[in-house]
Amino acid sequence: EAGVAQSPRYKIIEKRQSVAFWCNPISGHATLYWYQQILGQGPKLLIQFQNNGVVDDSQLPKDRFSAERLKGVDSTLKIQPAKLEDSAVYLCASSFEGYGYTFGSGTRLTVV
Amino acid sequence: SQQGEEDPQALSIQEGENATMNCSYKTSINNLQWYRQNSGRGLVHLILIRSNEREKHSGRLRVTLDTSKKSSSLLITASRAADTASYFCATDEGGSYIPTFGRGTSLIVHP
Repeated sequence: EAGVAQSPRYKIIEKRQSVAFWCNPISGHATLYWYQQILGQGPKLLIQFQNNGVVDDSQLPKDRFSAERLKGVDSTLKIQPAKLEDSAVYLCASSFEGYGYTFGSGTRLTVV
Repeated sequence: SQQGEEDPQALSIQEGENATMNCSYKTSINNLQWYRQNSGRGLVHLILIRSNEREKHSGRLRVTLDTSKKSSSLLITASRAADTASYFCATDEGGSYIPTFGRGTSLIVHP
């Protein structure tokens, strides 16, 4: 089966600019997650979707981060405006009924 | 918050040796998972062990879980240079079923 697709692979932007990441989960996976992984740390959950509804976004900095999952399939994560501390790898994962999480390769964001 | 914490932070061994990594957590869990991450890549799921299981095997991997000590270990036998990666444990806090990751163990296997 095809894996979780993410794009772009890399992105460099200046602080205060905006950026968007895209994720296409495995077909049939109702649950989708966005994680932020800062260099040297483990991934931190930003938001969890179940179909097109938000289950948990308690750690999403809502003043600058937003995410949506229209039609319960693809998802986009946006940062506006970006700060230097947002430099990280943004990982998307999907799962079927909460087991067997599959991660995409991630988007490496550098904010300069 | 980070639920699981891996130990050691870094491990350097020779090819053919066994590598053992430990994970400790604070609250009750439903499942504990181990993942591998090669440099600059996404995470690869290795093993999921449920709270009512004590040991699982997958190829050269052996995972144990001790819920009384709130700890788990990942053993990689007969390591290979290709096993060089960071290894993370992920636990779900209470009934959330959302994996929460530790900081990981960086394993280097020298050929």
